[in-house]
Amino acid sequence: DARVTQTPRHKVTEMGQEVTMRCQPILGHNTVFWYRQTMMQGLELLAYFRNRAPLDDSGMPKDRFSAEMPDATLATLKIQPSEPRDSAVYFCASARTGVEQYFGPGTRLTVT
Amino acid sequence: GNSVTQMEGPVTLSEEAFLTINCTYTATGYPSLFWYVQYPGEGLQLLLKATKADDKGSNKGFEATYRKETTSFHLEKGSVQVSDSAVYFCALNGYGGATNKLIFGTGTLLAVQP
Repeated sequence: DARVTQTPRHKVTEMGQEVTMRCQPILGHNTVFWYRQTMMQGLELLAYFRNRAPLDDSGMPKDRFSAEMPDATLATLKIQPSEPRDSAVYFCASARTGVEQYFGPGTRLTVT
Repeated sequence: GNSVTQMEGPVTLSEEAFLTINCTYTATGYPSLFWYVQYPGEGLQLLLKATKADDKGSNKGFEATYRKETTSFHLEKGSVQVSDSAVYFCALNGYGGATNKLIFGTGTLLAVQP
């Protein structure tokens, strides 16, 4: 049963620290998405990649967030410096072209 | 632009009650429509989908019919269980299949009481 994996599952950090979240998409999926979920804003698309190339990162605060895919099996989302308003659950999802998305379990980030 | 509107929650039902969660959409072209479910502490899971008008998606007793004339994709289940308690998201892919990018509704919390 192939699944998207995300690490860490939980992260507590202090304001100003760098945070790196990792995602392993399902093998064979060529599209990767990053979402952020909060009570206030709901589910927001931050960025997505096709064949490791960024297609759309318009939902991502550019000054502190960055997303990359170093290889086809790893996607990363970094926040530097982190702020309390970044506290949220961050989801990664993967898909094959034109097919539905499969979500990971999420990383719950708390910035104090 | 493309958008999805879901009924506000929470929806609170007793076990074995009938469930309807309304979803309407605005889109150009012919979107595919989806329902995702999020159980507490987990990511979203695809529940069902429909890719063209009059298609009925179904899974685990849930059903939704793609109604182009009313631009709707309402989720229904004849008899809910406590284990169905979750947040349900309606979504569309309005980009002709060239991309997987989805537009999600705000989610509807369903609470089923024994």
